[in-house]
Amino acid sequence: EVQLVESGGGLVKPGGSLRLSCAASGFTFSSYTMDWVRQAPGKGLEWVSSISNSSSYIYYADSVKGRFTISRDNAKNSLYLQMNSLRAEDTAVYYCARDRDFWSGVPAGGDYWGQGILVTVSS
Amino acid sequence: DIQMTQSPPSLSASVGDRVTITCQATQDISNYLNWYQQKPGKAPKLLIYDASNLEIGVPSRFSGRGSGTDFTFTISSLQPEDIATYYCQQSDNLPLTFGGGTKVEIK
Repeated sequence: EVQLVESGGGLVKPGGSLRLSCAASGFTFSSYTMDWVRQAPGKGLEWVSSISNSSSYIYYADSVKGRFTISRDNAKNSLYLQMNSLRAEDTAVYYCARDRDFWSGVPAGGDYWGQGILVTVSS
Repeated sequence: DIQMTQSPPSLSASVGDRVTITCQATQDISNYLNWYQQKPGKAPKLLIYDASNLEIGVPSRFSGRGSGTDFTFTISSLQPEDIATYYCQQSDNLPLTFGGGTKVEIK
């Protein structure tokens, strides 16, 4: 059974940093592109970032480019999102998702999602 | 960026009704279109990929069709457990973009 469990969320002040982690199990983690998607309270879904299976291809939404860094450790079956220079508008539930892509490196949308972790940016 | 416009934003229907949601892209996305279901407080769940392919384990009352810029998602016979918000998402171009969602309620 595919499982994705996010951790590392919480309350942080504007300008602060936070590192999210996603522990994956139940599939060959090193074969799949992985995604982060967020959802502001009461709002829709917003794609944040994707990383290919070997970390060769990395993509970001313009809204987080230069502030967020996605990475993965295939030996630990883990995905990460380092978030710096956080703003109030980054407040959201952040979802880790396994992407449907497992060969091209181009994200195709998530087919399995974690339960999400809340990040609140407020003074 | 490709904008995805979903309609209606919300709908109310009776159990057993046929429900249709539309999604329109601002440019041709071929069939690179996914549909997700999100129940309150839960993560999204992939229902349909590549416009018309049903994800394994998803009931056959869900279906999708379309290509290019115009897509439809249909629930052939609405069930109480289908109460959720449904999102389309294009995967033709980065950034991946979602529609605004359609909230489905029982009348």
